[in-house]
Amino acid sequence: GAVVSQHPSRVICKSGTSVKIECRSLDFQATTMFWYRQFPKKSLMLMATSNEGSKATYEQGVEKDKFLINHASLTLSTLTVTSAHPEDSSFYICSAMSSYNEQFFGPGTRLTVL
Amino acid sequence: GQSLEQPSEVTAVEGAIVQINCTYQTSGFYGLSWYQQHDGGAPTFLSYNALDGLEETGRFSSFLSRSDSYGYLLLQELQMKDSASYFCAVNTGFQKLVFGTGTRLLVSP
Repeated sequence: GAVVSQHPSRVICKSGTSVKIECRSLDFQATTMFWYRQFPKKSLMLMATSNEGSKATYEQGVEKDKFLINHASLTLSTLTVTSAHPEDSSFYICSAMSSYNEQFFGPGTRLTVL
Repeated sequence: GQSLEQPSEVTAVEGAIVQINCTYQTSGFYGLSWYQQHDGGAPTFLSYNALDGLEETGRFSSFLSRSDSYGYLLLQELQMKDSASYFCAVNTGFQKLVFGTGTRLLVSP
């Protein structure tokens, strides 16, 4: 089946720093990728839709200047959490959509901001 | 707003059958999916219904009634490895998924 990777799997950073998370589709091309956020024992919340070659579309309430998304190629989307604060600590999950409109999820990145 | 409600927790024993319900209220509806997620892991796709009725995939089946805005996931011959969280998700358009509140399934020996 299709494989989506995320890097890093875990990251710990100091408050005020920026963190970049990569999402790659390893064996297929994805013009659309999605970024989700999940708090412990909670549901996945869609943050934004990432489209290759164009600006990301953010969900209501998600700060686009806080969560920068770049989809520079058909296999890579990046999420940068700028000036991270402890409340940004969460599990960030990406998904990539295949040409058959199936979504495949990455393994997630656990961000801890001290 | 949009909401997908699920029971928070379900318990069952090995070999049993369990049903996880999902009622939804969304701005758009293009299908209902079910995902399994083990702690700390990625959601994995289980089943999908775009039309009313029952879809069967091995030990897992999923049902949809669009007129009732309701669906369920049926897990048969439960195994210990089925202990996980299960989420329903509605495709609200352009493949955007809105996830349910999640159900934690605990399977005991």
